[in-house]
Amino acid sequence: DAGVIQSPRHEVTEMGQEVTLRCKLISGHNSLFWYRQTMMRGLELLIYFNNNVPIDDSGMPEDRFSAKMPNASFSTLKIQPSEPRDSAVYFCASGRIPTNEQFFGPGTRLTVL
Amino acid sequence: EDQVTQSPEALRLQEGESSSLNCSYTVSGLRGLFWYRQDPGKGPEFLFTLYSAGEEKEKERLKATLTKKESFLHITAPKPEDSATYLCASSGGGATNKLIFGTGTLLAVQP
Repeated sequence: DAGVIQSPRHEVTEMGQEVTLRCKLISGHNSLFWYRQTMMRGLELLIYFNNNVPIDDSGMPEDRFSAKMPNASFSTLKIQPSEPRDSAVYFCASGRIPTNEQFFGPGTRLTVL
Repeated sequence: EDQVTQSPEALRLQEGESSSLNCSYTVSGLRGLFWYRQDPGKGPEFLFTLYSAGEEKEKERLKATLTKKESFLHITAPKPEDSATYLCASSGGGATNKLIFGTGTLLAVQP
């Protein structure tokens, strides 16, 4: 059974450019979580969806960040415009209500120059 | 405010030297305590879920236990391949299904 799929695995871009990260959930899962991980701040929850509906976006740093779930199995996280301080590893995780267990993808390492 | 604290931040063991990692939580109405393993350059890998005080779960050399205030991850006779960062997380009260993560314990097992 395929796990969570993220793309791209690595992204290097210049300040001011738009960045789109993609995530495919595990089949049958109905919750989707976006995290950011840095050495300084550890693993931070940005936003999560239940059944395609955004539930909590209080972790989204600012209006430059947006996330969508156009269908039940796919999500995007967009940063526009990107800044050097956005450099981090971004993970998505999928889960199944109500167990609260989350399964993480391999992550996207983002570097903004 | 719900919080999860892990200790120690880093632990170095000799192969075969058993030890425990600690995860303290302050969560009202705990609905699950989760342990993950993270290898460098990879996403966290799910290990265990504990739901109530007194519960224990085992997997190979790892055993997780839960009390009303903390959880322990016991590592028995560790091997170098057990080297990783171990994260714990709590699922708090209310309707939310989000997890609150600790900052992790970096475990290094030397041969």
